[in-house]
Amino acid sequence: NAGVTQTPKFRVLKTGQSMTLLCAQDMNHEYMYWYRQDPGMGLRLIHYSVGEGTTAKGEVPDGYNVSRLKKQNFLLGLESAAPSQTSVYFCASRGQGTNYGYTFGSGTRLTVV
Amino acid sequence: QQQVKQSPQSLIVQKGGIPIINCAYENTAFDYFPWYQQFPGKGPALLIAIRPDVSEKKEGRFTISFNKSAKQFSLHIMDSQPGDSATYFCAARSQGGSEKLVFGKGTKLTVNP
Repeated sequence: NAGVTQTPKFRVLKTGQSMTLLCAQDMNHEYMYWYRQDPGMGLRLIHYSVGEGTTAKGEVPDGYNVSRLKKQNFLLGLESAAPSQTSVYFCASRGQGTNYGYTFGSGTRLTVV
Repeated sequence: QQQVKQSPQSLIVQKGGIPIINCAYENTAFDYFPWYQQFPGKGPALLIAIRPDVSEKKEGRFTISFNKSAKQFSLHIMDSQPGDSATYFCAARSQGGSEKLVFGKGTKLTVNP
């Protein structure tokens, strides 16, 4: 029972480089989310998806793109990384229904130098 | 625009004490209020949740108190233990199809032996 798996766990990028963060869930959840966590800022929603083939912007979408080609995967892309994108990124998923909480992955720590 | 205000930022108690973490919100469309617990290097995990038609919910040593008229809710940890040392986030969900959660900024709790 893997739940939500994020890869990679750590990454250092140079300014201007690109990368993709992968989130995979094995719970057949409809909803998936990407958050970033910064000290003193809590968790802020970047993008989310309500089903395969759908994506939508969250609170802080600038500089990021996402894709949900398969129901179990949600990809977060950084086209041209900036130091302001240094953060810990969390993916979460949840199923339909009224009493389900989010299941979070263990995070990706990204440093942009 | 911070939709869920959480206080305090940090809290230190002795073992056996009862730490209380408070959250306030403005949006009356919120219909689900979960609390998440996060240990260092891990993703947040659902701890306990409440709906606005209930004034209190207990699960083990954790209690949520909810005041709908004041638009406030709080987490109480009874007989706190050093193992409860973690960061706690309150959150709120809007009604509707996206099932998005808005998080408070978090409270770092330290329980001393």
